[in-house]
Amino acid sequence: DQQVKQNSPSLSVQEGRISILNCDYTNSMFDYFLWYKKYPAEGPTFLISISSIKDKNEDGRFTVFLNKSAKHLSLHIVPSQPGDSAVYFCAASSAYSGAGSYQLTFGKGTKLSVIP
Amino acid sequence: GAGVSQSPRYKVAKRGQDVALRCDPISGHVSLFWYQQALGQGPEFLTYFQNEAQLDKSGLPSDRFFAERPEGSVSTLKIQRTQQEDSAVYLCASSSRLGQGIIQPQHFGDGTRLSIL
Repeated sequence: DQQVKQNSPSLSVQEGRISILNCDYTNSMFDYFLWYKKYPAEGPTFLISISSIKDKNEDGRFTVFLNKSAKHLSLHIVPSQPGDSAVYFCAASSAYSGAGSYQLTFGKGTKLSVIP
Repeated sequence: GAGVSQSPRYKVAKRGQDVALRCDPISGHVSLFWYQQALGQGPEFLTYFQNEAQLDKSGLPSDRFFAERPEGSVSTLKIQRTQQEDSAVYLCASSSRLGQGIIQPQHFGDGTRLSIL
């Protein structure tokens, strides 16, 4: 049973427009969420995170939104740039409370293509 | 270096051979994780160390997999009697501190791509 789901395997967006990547989770114990970006033959690179006490976190062009009642989070990239083309992974853990495991549970990823 | 370093980057072994994968975490990072990533999938947790203590090994798929971090810095993931299903990218991640309300993200190395023939 997949606890973190990224239902869109791929997404294409025009340069300058908004990219919205979605992620759903099923484990109500998750309280810390992260987005990673991955280029081929490289490891995942941390982008942005959010804990369950917040519903929004922003860092430059990247904003993550968390809807706890829907068990849904999304990553917004505005404006999208060709260099943003990569695979984006959503990850979750129960690390914030300190009561659960610190391991990350990942989705399968969404491949974003930003078209110049 | 500034990031997590893993070696070798690529490893080819024959079925039945033993392999050892190395991870050098970011200096000062007390938490270290190993993940396995199959093609087209997200990384899956294998094991977690805090300093030299292995606190969680629930993700290790069999007793052929063994990890150690004897001095609380460099870690080695060993796979004995390798099988074809062990072929994957093995990722190491480190974090400066994890605790209640104190969260630092995990930073990943570029991984070791293991191919079992």
